[in-house]
Amino acid sequence: DTEVTQTPKHLVMGMTNKKSLKCEQHMGHRAMYWYKQKAKKPPELMFVYSYEKLSINESVPSRFSPECPNSSLLNLHLHALQPEDSALYLCASSPTGQGEETQYFGPGTRLLVL
Amino acid sequence: RKEVEQDPGPFNVPEGATVAFNCTYSNSASQSFFWYRQDCRKEPKLLMSVYSSGNEDGRFTAQLNRASQYISLLIRDSKLSDSATYLCVVNRAAGNKLTFGGGTRVLVKP
Repeated sequence: DTEVTQTPKHLVMGMTNKKSLKCEQHMGHRAMYWYKQKAKKPPELMFVYSYEKLSINESVPSRFSPECPNSSLLNLHLHALQPEDSALYLCASSPTGQGEETQYFGPGTRLLVL
Repeated sequence: RKEVEQDPGPFNVPEGATVAFNCTYSNSASQSFFWYRQDCRKEPKLLMSVYSSGNEDGRFTAQLNRASQYISLLIRDSKLSDSATYLCVVNRAAGNKLTFGGGTRVLVKP
């Protein structure tokens, strides 16, 4: 069973809505990640937080806004999304975010934008 | 050219048979390598890391060839539960950024 949890499991939102995805890990990891995965495609990195600081933003549109309130929590705030943003959003964590570390994934939030 | 390439499959494998497939990567600076397994509508789960000397975990064997820039995964005595998409993952170390291949789909049939 994964030690990375994500809520909600499913989310349906309109293009004018504001919603947030939440991720929590209890492994004491100091790096957390957001990935986006479209159907039949591999995960694509969106953001990396290391020691609660944003270290990588893969040119993600500003309608996605990450937040790391503390080392075990990661949020993704959503605003004015488009239907093409519908996807599985995966959170992952790793010990430090440096070097060659294994990343552990949460179960994901399946998002549908109408 | 994609940074990490895989044969998408599907590889249709009789139960009990052996299946093997490769993944090629283009960035010679890549530092570490993994195989993840992803079941339909589930998250990727680490199957095994891949070391230069090759490594084995039960029925699974992974190999790394740095000179030719590919890694391989071999599954022996395939089980029905091995049916999944196998993702080849490469880490360039800088920022611990993982790059995923497109995945190889394996279907084990009775």
